[in-house]
Parts: sequence; C-alpha cells; structure tokens
Amino acid sequence: QKEVEQNSGPLSVPEGAIASLNCTYSDRGSQSFFWYRQYSGKSPELIMSIYSNGDKEDGRFTAQLNKASQYVSLLIRDSQPSDSATYLCAVLNDYKLSFGAGTTVTVRA
Amino acid sequence: EAGVTQSPTHLIKTRGQQVTLRCSPISGHTSVYWYQQALGLGLQFLLWYDEGEERNRGNFPPRFSGRQFPNYSSELNVNALELEDSALYLCASSLFRGAMVTEAFFGQGTRLTVV
Repeated sequence: QKEVEQNSGPLSVPEGAIASLNCTYSDRGSQSFFWYRQYSGKSPELIMSIYSNGDKEDGRFTAQLNKASQYVSLLIRDSQPSDSATYLCAVLNDYKLSFGAGTTVTVRA
Repeated sequence: EAGVTQSPTHLIKTRGQQVTLRCSPISGHTSVYWYQQALGLGLQFLLWYDEGEERNRGNFPPRFSGRQFPNYSSELNVNALELEDSALYLCASSLFRGAMVTEAFFGQGTRLTVV
C-alpha cells in the first residue's frame, strides 16, 4: 500500500469552475498535511498546510482534512489557466515527508 | 529573505563518476530534506537531516549519502553514478520543533544528467 495516494487524473476543468483534488494516506499517526503545486520543470511550491480536522481556506484554495477517514482534499475555486499544474499531496510522519504521485490539472480557457 | 538555494542548477556527469550537490536552507531552518524526481515521476524521499544528524533515509543504495553542516547547509553525494540517477534533485528546508515540523520550502533543484 502506498503511503500517499492521489486521484490519478489528469483533471480538466473549464475556466471559472471548481477543481477538486483528493488524497488518502496510510499512516494513521500522520501529523501534518500539505498541498504543493508544481509547474513542469520547476520545483514544488507550497500552497496550503493543514494540521487539524476541518476546512482551511486561503484565497481561492480550500483544504479539508478528515483524520478518521485518512483523507485530505484541495478545492480550487474560480479556476484560472495559471492554475494548470501538477498538484502534490504531502504527509508528514516519523521524520519523513511523503508525497503522492500528483494530479495534473488543466484549466481550459 | 532568501529562500532555499541549491547549486549547481545543472550538471552533466559520466557514468561511474561522483557528484556533490549543495543546499543552503532558509535562515533559521534546521531541517533539510533531499528528494529525487526522475523525469515524469514523483518525488522519492532520499534523506532528512536535522541539527546535523541524519534522521531518516529513503530506500536508496548506500552510494547516496550526505551530511549537514553546523550552519545547517547540506550536501548530497552520489558515488558510482548510473544512467538512472539522471533526475531533478530537490532540497527542502523547514524548522523542526519537537514533534512538529513547520512548512517545508523547496529550492529550485539541481538537474543531473548522467551520460
């Protein structure tokens, strides 16, 4: 079982729509959860961090965490062409920050 | 404030050679992580250093090694390079306080090509 799994994608959404990204993790003791955005050929860029159950909003981004279900999600509202990238879910436990394989999002103009 | 810096940005090496990659963390950060990202693939965890100590190691052969210096900068060494070592090597830093790790920020990466 992979430590972090993301919906495989690719995900194509029209401009202005909501993009929904999902992530599950295997270690129930995981402490911290992050979403990164990675443009092709570039390094990952931190978008959001979330540490407790519930929702966390930052601009057009909302992260949701449900530790009982071992599930993290990211919503991108009012999607823009500049949001086209690969989104990486990362989970921290025991001196290791593990990443999912990523979901590639394409926003259609 | 300067972010995480890595050097060099690109390099080309011949199979069998050795290479050293360098990383300077954000000022005040004590933890440094190293990842390998082969073309089109995900981030594979290599090493985690904190306060000069190796805290965890990914599933890589011993020819991948590193260290962290008293100023928290770090080196990644790869011996006996193989063609499949060609990848983007990423360094990230964060602050580690007890059981909590703050957000990790990445450098721009070093693109290694082995020929």
